[in-house]
Amino acid sequence: QVQLVQSGAEVKKPGASVKVSCKTSGYTFTSYGINWVRQAPGQGPEWMGWISGYNGNTKYAQKFQGRVTMTTDTSTSTADMDLRSLTSDDTAIYYCARGGVYESSGYPFDYWGRGTLVTVSS
Amino acid sequence: DIQMTQSPSSLSASVGDRVTITCRASQTIRTYLSWYQWKPGKAPKLLIFAASSLQSGVPSRFSGSGSGTDFTLTISNLQPEDFATYFCQHIYTTPHTFGQGTKLEIK
Repeated sequence: QVQLVQSGAEVKKPGASVKVSCKTSGYTFTSYGINWVRQAPGQGPEWMGWISGYNGNTKYAQKFQGRVTMTTDTSTSTADMDLRSLTSDDTAIYYCARGGVYESSGYPFDYWGRGTLVTVSS
Repeated sequence: DIQMTQSPSSLSASVGDRVTITCRASQTIRTYLSWYQWKPGKAPKLLIFAASSLQSGVPSRFSGSGSGTDFTLTISNLQPEDFATYFCQHIYTTPHTFGQGTKLEIK
């Protein structure tokens, strides 16, 4: 069965960086993409960006451009998301979700990880 | 960016009821609309994609409709496990924005 297993909770200080990993199984990693979504306390979900499992192409939300890097490792079927220059506004649950292999595929987010809580606090 | 306006923000209902949640896009998204169920501590679950297609394994009491800018999610014969928060999302263009959510509570 399709599974997306995320790394554990993180506590970071303002200005630091965080890396969240998403290890996938149960499907051909290179046939899909991975989206990253976060949900801050009391707010709706926010799409951060997408990476293709096929060729590593990325599309980031403008809000995160220059501060986020998404990568994949096809040998381990894992996707990582690095977020830099953290502030308290980055405190949120971060999710990975399977999506289309191409940017404009119109493929829904059909499988999700359970989320990784990132807390930014001095 | 396309804005997604979801209503109501909260809803109280009883087991066996039928409820409807609406989602409006700020511009046309054709049928590139998904509905998700979120429960604390669990992976979000895709219920409906392409506005009206039922995801595999999702009970048929869930249904979706709409196109263009106006969409609805209907849950018939509410079951105890349906009390959760529901979000709509468009995947027409990036960024793939979400609605603000509807919290469905037991009356």
